[in-house]
Order: sequence, then C-alpha cells, then structure tokens
Amino acid sequence: NAGVTQTPKFQVLKTGQSMTLQCAQDMNHEYMSWYRQDPGMGLRLIHYSVGAGITDQGEVPNGYNVSRSTTEDFPLRLLSAAPSQTSVYFCASSSRNEQFFGPGTRLTVL
Amino acid sequence: GENVEQHPSTLSVQEGDSAVIKCTYSDSASNYFPWYKQELGKRPQLIIDIRSNVGEKKDQRIAVTLNKTAKHFSLHITETQPEDSAVYFCAANPSRHGSNYKLTFGKGTLLTVNP
Repeated sequence: NAGVTQTPKFQVLKTGQSMTLQCAQDMNHEYMSWYRQDPGMGLRLIHYSVGAGITDQGEVPNGYNVSRSTTEDFPLRLLSAAPSQTSVYFCASSSRNEQFFGPGTRLTVL
Repeated sequence: GENVEQHPSTLSVQEGDSAVIKCTYSDSASNYFPWYKQELGKRPQLIIDIRSNVGEKKDQRIAVTLNKTAKHFSLHITETQPEDSAVYFCAANPSRHGSNYKLTFGKGTLLTVNP
C-alpha cells in the first residue's frame, strides 16, 4: 500500500513551458486535492475533486488545469509556466476521517 | 471565503514546557478543524483534529480546544520534547459538510524545543 505518490520529486522549467505533475493513490479515496506551499504562506488549495469526472477550483486555480478520469489518478497541468508558480506542490487524498498528503514536488520556474 | 489566522509565527520553548498555538477563522459555517505537523522537507501529517460538536479533544500530550462562538481554536502540547520541533499548521474547512479535502490553512508556526 503506497498511499499517495507524486512524480517527479524535483523539476526545473523555463518560463512558458508546460508540464504535468502526477499524483496517484491506492486507497480508493473519492476525494483528492492539490495544494501549493510557499514560504510563509501555508498551503493553498489549487483544485480538488470529489470523484472521477468531477473537479472544482480552489483558492488559487489560475494557470493550472486538472482532470480526474480514474479514482486513482489526479494530474495537475501547468499550461504555460511562470516564475510565480515556483513552489512545492502537494497532492492529497482523503477518506472521511483524514487527509493524506503525498511527498511533494519541488518546482522551479526560471 | 474562509480566512484562517495563526499565531505566533515562531515559538521557542524549553524541553518539558508547554506550547500553545492559536488560530482564528472567519466562516461560521466551518465545522472541521485539523492540525498538521510538518518536519523540514517532509509532507504535512495530521496530528489531531476536532469537529464543531466537540469543545476539546486530547491525544496523549496533544490537545485541541474549540470555541465556536469566538471562532477560535488552539493546539496545546504539554511536556514538549525536541522531536516536537517542526512547523505546525491549523486549518478549517469552509463547508457545512465537515469535509476534509477542501481546507484553508493558517500560515504556520515554527516550534523549536530547546534541550
């Protein structure tokens, strides 16, 4: 049981490039979320999903897209990377009682 | 939307002392309040949570209290140990359904426990 996995662990992009951050969970949870963590800012919700085919925006959705074609996977797409998107990204998966975070992806946009 | 304020931003205590971290929230509909611990370079991990039908909850050296009227909740750690050193985050859910997947976080408290 791997829990929540994220790939890659580290990524460097140039401004304007696109990429997808991968997230997968093997706990059969309905709910999944993406957060970004910046120094002194806590974690901020980007997008979330309450089940396959259902997604919604969080607090800071601009510049990001998500989809949820299966229960297990919830990828986050950066359409055109900007330096302001330099951050640590955490995917989370939730049961009714607890939210479990993945190990994070550290993204740097030059 | 929900706004969560957390204080202090840094807290330094001596081993064995108690530590208290306080949070306030703005949305009176929020009804789920978790606390997370994050060690350097690691993922946040849930340490305790409370729902709005409960005023206090304890788990060994950790306790959380909730005052819904005043819209604030606090984390209490007793008999602190060096391994308690970490960043602690409070959070609230801006939902009437007690969900835990759509959280608004405070900005964190860096707790340092000095041996």
